[in-house]
Amino acid sequence: DGGITQSPKYLFRKEGQNVTLSCEQNLNHDAMYWYRQDPGQGLRLIYYSQIVNDFQKGDIAEGYSVSREKKESFPLTVTSAQKNPTAFYLCASSIGRRGRDNEQFFGPGTRLTVL
Amino acid sequence: QQQVKQSPQSLIVQKGGISIINCAYENTAFDYFPWYQQFPGKGPALLIAIRPDVSEKKEGRFTISFNKSAKQFSLHIMDSQPGDSATYFCAASVSGNTPLVFGKGTRLSVIA
Repeated sequence: DGGITQSPKYLFRKEGQNVTLSCEQNLNHDAMYWYRQDPGQGLRLIYYSQIVNDFQKGDIAEGYSVSREKKESFPLTVTSAQKNPTAFYLCASSIGRRGRDNEQFFGPGTRLTVL
Repeated sequence: QQQVKQSPQSLIVQKGGISIINCAYENTAFDYFPWYQQFPGKGPALLIAIRPDVSEKKEGRFTISFNKSAKQFSLHIMDSQPGDSATYFCAASVSGNTPLVFGKGTRLSVIA
């Protein structure tokens, strides 16, 4: 059963803590993405990775970090430097090859709340 | 130049009516234009997509109209149903491995 999984579904963080959100895909996709969603703001790109061991900053990368050690996995760490981390976080993946439609498949999301 | 502007922000349509959501873009290098549907608490799902070599694409009750010269595209939902109530996002990208640029979304409510 192919798809994208994100865990946990809900996450609570205390002020000053780092937390890591998991994203795994078994679609054999090269490209993976992290978005943040706030009410009325749409989806804003945090980081993306086109191949293993490489990633680029998106529009709102400050206070976040990522790694891409395996093709299937793209974890996102929300650091204490992120001033307003409460949001819905979405991971996505796509085939990521030139000349192909950039259809992105999304995971179910993680809702992060800072206490 | 990277923005995709979406309107309206919210839309209320009677059951059986036509829902129309519009998007505009500036970057002429964009060549892939998808629409996503998102229900509360869920991830977005691809609804329908178009490339600029066609002016219209229809899948069931959903139609994308594309106007390359005006740099605009729109989603039409025919015979709108309460189950269509969701948030809809337009997006654009250069095909391949570049990220999608999303509009800010339209919250659609279909009332009986």
